Amino acid sequence: DTAVSQTPKYLVTQMGNDKSIKCEQNLGHDTMYWYKQDSKKFLKIMFSYNNKELIINETVPNRFSPKSPDKAHLNLHINSLELGDSAVYFCASSWTGQRDEKLFFGSGTQLSVL
Amino acid sequence: QQQVKQSPQSLIVQKGGISIINCAYENTAFDYFPWYQQFPGKGPALLIAIRPDVSEKKEGRFTISFNKSAKQFSLHIMDSQPGDSATYFCAASTSYSGGSNYKLTFGKGTLLTVNP
Repeated sequence: DTAVSQTPKYLVTQMGNDKSIKCEQNLGHDTMYWYKQDSKKFLKIMFSYNNKELIINETVPNRFSPKSPDKAHLNLHINSLELGDSAVYFCASSWTGQRDEKLFFGSGTQLSVL
Repeated sequence: QQQVKQSPQSLIVQKGGISIINCAYENTAFDYFPWYQQFPGKGPALLIAIRPDVSEKKEGRFTISFNKSAKQFSLHIMDSQPGDSATYFCAASTSYSGGSNYKLTFGKGTLLTVNP
């Protein structure tokens, strides 16, 4: 009964490949996010979706394409992977109806591009 | 441009001691200031949060002190325990493009180690 679940937990791939990370939340939240955490632990927002609508797109290369089939799911597809894409990617969700902006994070997907 | 500056980068405290982590911000539009705790291999989890209309908030051993005029806030962990060893992130939130959606900006994190 994990609140925010993302798969896979580990992803090792070669440069130039295309890969996807899936995320699902069962909290009934209306907003979902993708965050990138680099090797120095810095957390940076990439995208947010509210009720399947893209709200935030933080100057992420267009090789990254989020897709939200419904408000419980937000997937991240990455084309032509580069070495610099190696990081931990976190999915998160929140309920914008509450003004406390509490984010619930998944456990992360560690992406290693070789 | 780093909107939320966090210090120190790492902190070592003895069991029972007080851990203090500081953050500063520039954007006066920020109106919600949470702290997140992250254990290795896990996602960050909300620890405690404050709004700028109060100067202090306490939850158990964790206290946020907020200084609006100085644009600074800090996390104090009293009676620090080895189980508190984790990375702590301060953050600040503001509405995105003036709408009802909000954007959270994180500090760079502080790795806290509490020695037994």
